[in-house]
Amino acid sequence: GNSVTQMEGPVTLSEEAFLTINCTYTATGYPSLFWYVQYPGEGLQLLLKATKADDKGSNKGFEATYRKETTSFHLEKGSVQVSDSAVYFCALSGSYSGGGADGLTFGKGTHLIIQP
Amino acid sequence: NAGVTQTPKFQVLKTGQSMTLQCAQDMNHEYMSWYRQDPGMGLRLIHYSVGAGITDQGEVPNGYNVSRSTTEDFPLRLLSAAPSQTSVYFCASSYGGARGRSANYGYTFGSGTRLTVV
Repeated sequence: GNSVTQMEGPVTLSEEAFLTINCTYTATGYPSLFWYVQYPGEGLQLLLKATKADDKGSNKGFEATYRKETTSFHLEKGSVQVSDSAVYFCALSGSYSGGGADGLTFGKGTHLIIQP
Repeated sequence: NAGVTQTPKFQVLKTGQSMTLQCAQDMNHEYMSWYRQDPGMGLRLIHYSVGAGITDQGEVPNGYNVSRSTTEDFPLRLLSAAPSQTSVYFCASSYGGARGRSANYGYTFGSGTRLTVV
């Protein structure tokens, strides 16, 4: 079956540091890949996505590139802010249907803490 | 505001009680799904639906029932609550149909229901 593995935290960085959160996946076919962010006490918000190999998703200074050869979708940001403190989830949508009809498979989440 | 609405936000149940978690979306999304979030486990899929009248089991379906009588609503039923069902529950919805629509838009999540079973 499908699975997602991401680095577990907490990850603690100073403001303006470079961020990388690793994510690798196992899936058949061609899944779509997502990063979601969860702020304390809230639901999940879609941060960025990529639907095919070599696509780069980007939003709010965050980027991730769909690497089929390494089955990875690492999240990066050049300069983090205190407001980026949250839990980040890597996820994929099922590939057999091609369109995510069978929901999402999530990693366990990475708690990011940015210190001033 | 358009989106996914979950009720209630908080609930405490006694072991053996039953209840229904409500989920409604007003975006005319075909796909809907339920997840539970537990510490250190990420989100795990309970049940999902690809349209009215069609549901299927996810990774952790035991103890939960669902139905989808309308496009808008996708309630989750706990028939006999157990302490192991203490969790935060999220409902999500997405466009369906052609591959590109669901993949391009991703899933929209509700704000969650925090359930405690004592």
